[in-house]
Amino acid sequence: DVKVTQSSRYLVKRTGEKVFLECVQDMDHENMFWYRQDPGLGLRLIYFSYDVKMKEKGDIPEGYSVSREKKERFSLILESASTNQTSMYLCASGRDRGPYEQYFGPGTRLTVT
Amino acid sequence: AQSVAQPEDQVNVAEGNPLTVKCTYSVSGNPYLFWYVQYPNRGLQFLLKYITGDNLVKGSYGFEAEFNKSQTSFHLKKPSALVSDSALYFCAVRDEDTGRRALTFGSGTRLQVQP
Repeated sequence: DVKVTQSSRYLVKRTGEKVFLECVQDMDHENMFWYRQDPGLGLRLIYFSYDVKMKEKGDIPEGYSVSREKKERFSLILESASTNQTSMYLCASGRDRGPYEQYFGPGTRLTVT
Repeated sequence: AQSVAQPEDQVNVAEGNPLTVKCTYSVSGNPYLFWYVQYPNRGLQFLLKYITGDNLVKGSYGFEAEFNKSQTSFHLKKPSALVSDSALYFCAVRDEDTGRRALTFGSGTRLQVQP
């Protein structure tokens, strides 16, 4: 079974703090993704990576950065957390040339106070 | 740009009755379509997908979905609902012609199955 793990299930941070969310997959997938989930908005893509050290902005990259130093690990960084970044963060991975479904981690619920 | 619409925020159905969760999509090229389910405080689980071939696809837990190109729809169905099917369901699309690797998700539909 594909396994995608995320470093924390729940996080509480203060405004202005630097926040690291980490994701690890064990299936040698080329692609990794960070989404945020908000009620009524579904999932929105923040960033994705298709190879080590390669990244592309998604639909809502402002206030975020990412790092992929190893194929299995993809980190999301909030340089200076703000209250509007309170959300559920979901990491996913998938093969580049099919099958095309993505596999998701359990999510990190981040609260910024 | 690709998009997905799930017109119903919530669907209520009695246990044992058939259920349908609606999804329509918009892409410029050929769509790859997916359904995911999310149980409380969990990540998304893959249910089924349409890539090519038979318009009726079968997936996990007895769910199926029908691809209708003329109506640009991909509705999720199950002949007999279970209370345990109560969850949040997401439809997603990938437009293969654009080369965009990520999925575009709908806003989600909460399914409530009453005993």
